[in-house]
Amino acid sequence: KQEVTQIPAALSVPEGENLVLNCSFTDSAIYNLQWFRQDPGKGLTSLLLIQSSQREQTSGRLNASLDKSSGRSTLYIAASQPGDSATYLCAGGSYNTDKLIFGTGTRLQVFP
Amino acid sequence: EPEVTQTPSHQVTQMGQEVILRCVPISNHLYFYWYRQILGQKVEFLVSFYNNEISEKSEIFDDQFSVERPDGSNFTLKIRSTKLEDSAMYFCASNRGVNYEQYFGPGTRLTVT
Repeated sequence: KQEVTQIPAALSVPEGENLVLNCSFTDSAIYNLQWFRQDPGKGLTSLLLIQSSQREQTSGRLNASLDKSSGRSTLYIAASQPGDSATYLCAGGSYNTDKLIFGTGTRLQVFP
Repeated sequence: EPEVTQTPSHQVTQMGQEVILRCVPISNHLYFYWYRQILGQKVEFLVSFYNNEISEKSEIFDDQFSVERPDGSNFTLKIRSTKLEDSAMYFCASNRGVNYEQYFGPGTRLTVT
């Protein structure tokens, strides 16, 4: 049974810092890993999807990596801005299943 | 850019009442999902739907829940007799196929009193 955990649970950094959010999963039969952003009381905005055949994906200041052998994915945010403040969720999809299994999220605050 | 929409944004209902949550998935998507998030907890999968039938469901999705695609655009989640513990944010999602990127709607906050 796939379980997804995220560390740290919360992070507070000054504007301009580069930072890394971590996501760990237990089942190496992961097919893809999707990162989301969630603002308070809002829906989930998809940021990046990494397929198991890929090692990383980039979108603007975001870079996500996937290492199936170690059961880890990281989301790297370059030059953080106050507008990046939100909760970041990772979710894993496995072979032969439709569902995503979500982590508990990392709540990020970037202060000016 | 196409997006998933959900109505209503907030629904308040009394325990034991039936509720229907509505979603309009992205038009060329074939797979549809419902997830829920109880306040302060993880997002949890409820059900997936493809080709007019349920393709997968979780233990949460018991006989009190049902899904339907009544026409070519809407996708609904019905809870027959709501319980206090059904209070949560319910998210609809869709994608082009299994293991493709899932796109989520803004959610419906359901409050059962």
